Amino acid sequence: GAGVSQTPSNKVTEKGKYVELRCDPISGHTALYWYRQSLGQGPEFLIYFQGTGAADDSGLPNDRFFAVRPEGSVSTLKIQRTERGDSAVYLCASSLNPSPGNEQFFGPGTRLTVL
Amino acid sequence: AQSVTQLDSQVPVFEEAPVELRCNYSSSVSVYLFWYVQYPNQGLQLLLKYLSGSTLVKGINGFEAEFNKSQTSFHLRKPSVHISDTAEYFCAVSDNEAAGNKLTFGGGTRVLVKP
Repeated sequence: GAGVSQTPSNKVTEKGKYVELRCDPISGHTALYWYRQSLGQGPEFLIYFQGTGAADDSGLPNDRFFAVRPEGSVSTLKIQRTERGDSAVYLCASSLNPSPGNEQFFGPGTRLTVL
Repeated sequence: AQSVTQLDSQVPVFEEAPVELRCNYSSSVSVYLFWYVQYPNQGLQLLLKYLSGSTLVKGINGFEAEFNKSQTSFHLRKPSVHISDTAEYFCAVSDNEAAGNKLTFGGGTRVLVKP
């Protein structure tokens, strides 16, 4: 079956612009996660959804970052007033549910470059 | 809070030689442990995980890892590597009691298998 997909695969924008990154999880997976991977580092947790609600957004760096999952499937990560430091690969993952130990299935990521 | 340290950022190894990737973690709570692999231009893929039971865990592609609670380590090993094992490897932990299953990753180890 289809895995986790993310669009676009690459996004180049200018400082100060608004961007949206999309994630399509595996069908039937209720838990959805966003991570950010900066160059040379491991992924860092941003936010996770259980169904439509953001259950833990403790990893969002500031209020310029926001994410939604209105119908409990597709999620969009929104970044306002982008800064050069936002440049990174944004990873989405989904799992059947958020129970501890469940495997998370990752998408290929969206590489965001802020000029 | 948890943290994960991968002591080697890069490991060059010859084909058919053994490899060990080191992972140490720090946590105030009990954790589950994971190893993920990231092949070039692909998403993270789960290699293996430790939840409970035998401390020696076998995963896909001939990899295994051993959980050592006293040393807070979860080193990954493969007795004989192939060219196709060239990739970046990430160790991760999650709180085994908290809802959400969010992962804390190490910085990654890049394995380059040489012919």
